[in-house]
Amino acid sequence: AQSVTQLDSHVSVSEGTPVLLRCNYSSSYSPSLFWYVQHPNKGLQLLLKYTSAATLVKGINGFEAEFKKSETSFHLTKPSAHMSDAAEYFCVVSSISGGYNKLIFGAGTRLAVHP
Amino acid sequence: NAGVTQTPKFRVLKTGQSMTLLCAQDMNHEYMYWYRQDPGMGLRLIHYSVGEGTTAKGEVPDGYNVSRLKKQNFLLGLESAAPSQTSVYFCASSYGTRQGTVYGYTFGSGTRLTVV
Repeated sequence: AQSVTQLDSHVSVSEGTPVLLRCNYSSSYSPSLFWYVQHPNKGLQLLLKYTSAATLVKGINGFEAEFKKSETSFHLTKPSAHMSDAAEYFCVVSSISGGYNKLIFGAGTRLAVHP
Repeated sequence: NAGVTQTPKFRVLKTGQSMTLLCAQDMNHEYMYWYRQDPGMGLRLIHYSVGEGTTAKGEVPDGYNVSRLKKQNFLLGLESAAPSQTSVYFCASSYGTRQGTVYGYTFGSGTRLTVV
């Protein structure tokens, strides 16, 4: 069965410093992985998606994630945080089960960005 | 703008009342989903639909019913609301699975429901 673990429930960084949000997954076969972002009182927006092509995936707003099969990780990074990056981030693994595309969400990581 | 629209955005119910949440998408997506979001638990799937006229149970279906009479609409019903159903509800849609291709979901902006 597929599962996702986000290793930090809260991350706090200063504006202009790097961001690292950690995610480990469990999957019985090669998974598809996503990162979604949710700004306060908003819906979820897709940041990026990995589907077995390049292991380094670039997303919107300067975010990227690297798929490491040996470590079963899919960490999200950004070189320089902006105040507007403050939000909750969800790591998601997908599986095709019972003929449909099922997404399994991690518990989320809340990113705070300080001036 | 194309996307997923949820109504209402906010609602307060008394225990035992019923209500229906409406989700509409204009992207011709085959699949639609209802999730609930609770603090520290991410999103949990309530029910989903892989096409018009079909529905199936997700992780937490108890206390909810759904219907998909039209491809673009997916309704979530609470027959007798309970305080445990206080949550933020999100609808999502996606293309169906084609030759193993996995598509991301498009989410609505959510419905904040409080049951008192």
